[in-house]
Amino acid sequence: DAGVTQSPTHLIKTRGQQVTLRCSPKSGHDTVSWYQQALGQGPQFIFQYYEEEERQRGNFPDRFSGHQFPNYSSELNVNALLLGDSALYLCASSLVRGAADTQYFGPGTRLTVL
Amino acid sequence: AQKVTQAQTEISVVEKEDVTLDCVYETRDTTYYLFWYKQPPSGELVFLIRRNSFDEQNEISGRYSWNFQKSTSSFNFTITASQVVDSAVYFCALSELYSGGGADGLTFGKGTHLIIQP
Repeated sequence: DAGVTQSPTHLIKTRGQQVTLRCSPKSGHDTVSWYQQALGQGPQFIFQYYEEEERQRGNFPDRFSGHQFPNYSSELNVNALLLGDSALYLCASSLVRGAADTQYFGPGTRLTVL
Repeated sequence: AQKVTQAQTEISVVEKEDVTLDCVYETRDTTYYLFWYKQPPSGELVFLIRRNSFDEQNEISGRYSWNFQKSTSSFNFTITASQVVDSAVYFCALSELYSGGGADGLTFGKGTHLIIQP
């Protein structure tokens, strides 16, 4: 049973550029959440997708956007990159959105903005 | 607003010692969920336990045990007879239910870096 997968593993970008990160949920899961983890900090919730719509959003600017596809996979897009966007980006999937089901995390994408 | 506090930034113990990681949370909801995750150096968060606010029973799983006390808003995690492989960053997290029936994204503490020395 495949777990949550993310691509790419690492990414280096320069300020002002745009980036797209990808996530495939655990088999059978339909809800995907994205988190940003700065070095030495706990993960911070960016947003959650269910039925191809953004259902909830944390305290992140509109530069952060996403998409969920019919197969439940998801993308996170960040525009106009800032140095402060350098972080580990974690994707998590869960089975049942309304029941606070356990979120299972992928290995993350480490983004470095120069 | 919800908040999770892990006051211990780093703990270092010698192998086979018992160690307790503290977690204190704040929430205005009566229905919420608490979690512990382990993050080894590889970076992937590994789920350890989920507890809902109506279940205050302590839980034991092998060398791991959890003590949930609503009266003190704490959800502490104890590792008995620690091993080098337990070395990792451990995160406590909280999730509330919102009016639409779904669950909030997880609110994490800053984590406790646990070092088990051989």
